[in-house]
Formats: sequence, structure tokens, C-alpha cells
Amino acid sequence: DAGVTQSPTHLIKTRGQQVTLRCSPKSGHDTVSWYQQALGQGPQFIFQYYEEEERQRGNFPDRFSGHQFPNYSSELNVNALLLGDSALYLCASSTGTGFYGYTFGSGTRLTVV
Amino acid sequence: GEDVEQSLFLSVREGDSSVINCTYTDSSSTYLYWYKQEPGAGLQLLTYIFSNMDMKQDQRLTVLLNKKDKHLSLRIADTQTGDSAIYFCAESGTDSGAGSYQLTFGKGTKLSVIP
Repeated sequence: DAGVTQSPTHLIKTRGQQVTLRCSPKSGHDTVSWYQQALGQGPQFIFQYYEEEERQRGNFPDRFSGHQFPNYSSELNVNALLLGDSALYLCASSTGTGFYGYTFGSGTRLTVV
Repeated sequence: GEDVEQSLFLSVREGDSSVINCTYTDSSSTYLYWYKQEPGAGLQLLTYIFSNMDMKQDQRLTVLLNKKDKHLSLRIADTQTGDSAIYFCAESGTDSGAGSYQLTFGKGTKLSVIP
């Protein structure tokens, strides 16, 4: 059973560009959350999608946006990239509320130069 | 806002017990979690505990929760070299009205196991 799949695994972008990261949730999961993990830090919550709508958002600017598709997969878009956006972006899936924990993907390492 | 604190480093000898500690500030925390992250990998859920419990045991792992002091610990018995990783404490509470449960993580404790 495939877990959470993220693509690409690594990405290098130039400051000011836009990037799209993709996530396929674990089979049977309908909720997708995105986290940003800077080097040496714990993951920070960006937003959560459920039923194709953004259900909750963390303290991230509007440059960060997302989408969830009918098959529950999700995209994270970041516009006008800044050097500070360099991080590991983690996707996590769950059923409904996620009471029993989230399943995380291996992440996309984004480097902004 | 919510805050989760952990010590950054822990070093133990193989076969000893490891105890990783965590404190949190959000009194409405409903669920508390321990995740493990190995180099270059995502986060693996190890165990969780509900706020109405004070202890949970799962094979080599024991979680203790002191809700009064907002203190959570993870004990790993008979620590092995394969346990070397970063361990994250995380809490979730109810976002009233939204019905979702974001996780707030600590900065992680790097566990080094000496053979």
C-alpha cells in the first residue's frame, strides 16, 4: 500500500519564480495538510484541505496557495519565491480530523537561489 | 499562541533507556504525538496520547503525560542504533468553528545512540 507520495523530491528555483508541489495522499485518506520545515526546525503548518476546500490556514502569506482535486490529491503553489522559502515541504494525509495521527510523505526539498 | 519546547540533543549508549522530554503551553491540547524523522525522510508517527490519559505503552515505547504541568515524555527502552533520529513532539487542539486539527511541533530532539 503506497503511503503519501510527493513530487518532485528536489527542486531549485530562482528568486521571484513560482513553484508547484504535488501530493498524493495515502489510500483511503481524504484530508491533506501541508507543512514547511526549515533547516533545524520543526514543521510549520501551512494549510489543510478537505472536500476540495481550504479548511484551515496557518500564518503564511497569500503567496502560498493550494488546491485539492476530486481524487484527494493536492498541490501547493508558491508565488514570488523568496530566499527564505527554501525548506523541506511536507505533505500529510489523514482521514477526517486526523485524531489518530497524520501520515507524512518524504517531502520536497525546495532551494531558492 | 501555542508553543512546544524540547531539548535539542540527547546521547545514550546502546541498550540503555532514552527519555525525551517536551513541554507545551496550549491547555486546550487534545492530542499529543511523537514523530520520528530519519535523515532525508519524512515524519513517521510513533505514538499518540489523548489528553485524558496519563500513560500509554507500546512495545519499547512509553509515553507519560502530566497534564497539570503540560509535560510529555517519551521513553525508549533498550535503545538501539536504529533509533538514532530526530524526535518531534507535537500537539493538536481544537480550532473552534473550523473543526480541523493542525499540528504544532517542537524543534525536535536529536537522539544519538552510541554503540
